[in-house]
Amino acid sequence: GAVVSQHPSWVICKSGTSVKIECRSLDFQATTMFWYRQFPKQSLMLMATSNEGSKATYEQGVEKDKFLINHASLTLSTLTVTSAHPEDSSFYICSAGGGETQYFGPGTRLLVL
Amino acid sequence: SQKIEQNSEALNIQEGKTATLTCNYTNYSPAYLQWYRQDPGRGPVFLLLIRENEKEKRKERLKVTFDTTLKQSLFHITASQPADSATYLCARALDSGNTPLVFGKGTRLSVIA
Repeated sequence: GAVVSQHPSWVICKSGTSVKIECRSLDFQATTMFWYRQFPKQSLMLMATSNEGSKATYEQGVEKDKFLINHASLTLSTLTVTSAHPEDSSFYICSAGGGETQYFGPGTRLLVL
Repeated sequence: SQKIEQNSEALNIQEGKTATLTCNYTNYSPAYLQWYRQDPGRGPVFLLLIRENEKEKRKERLKVTFDTTLKQSLFHITASQPADSATYLCARALDSGNTPLVFGKGTRLSVIA
């Protein structure tokens, strides 16, 4: 089946630093990838839609200058959390569109101190 | 805007029984309803998809129904096992895997041996 990987699986950083998270579709090409965020005991909330070769589409309330998305190839999308603050601590999950459904990565746990 | 509601936050059942989880949606009918399993600290794993013109779908011990009159989908796990314990998420999609998903809050299922 379709496999999506994320790296790193967890990261701890100091407030004010930037963190990059990679999302890769390992055995299929994805023109569209999605980034979600999940806070404890909450559901997944869509942050942005990442389209290969074009600008990402951000959901209302998500700062595009803070959460930089790059979808440089059909198998890789990156999310960079710039100038991270403690309130950005969360579980970030990417997915890639595959046919009728989406395949999710294992998630990245971000803790900002 | 459309909402996806999973009214039961948690469900406990005895091993061997059938677990039934409910997903309700408001406003317009989604083209697809999808069910995912999420284990703690992991990304969602796709289980089943049902289209609005389908009444029922099955996969091994899983069954999902779609009732457009009640605006509801039911997800059944027959002969439940402790290994089925997880959070189950309902999500709607307007179109194929290349459109964003809107998730319900999930139902945490515990199967007791």
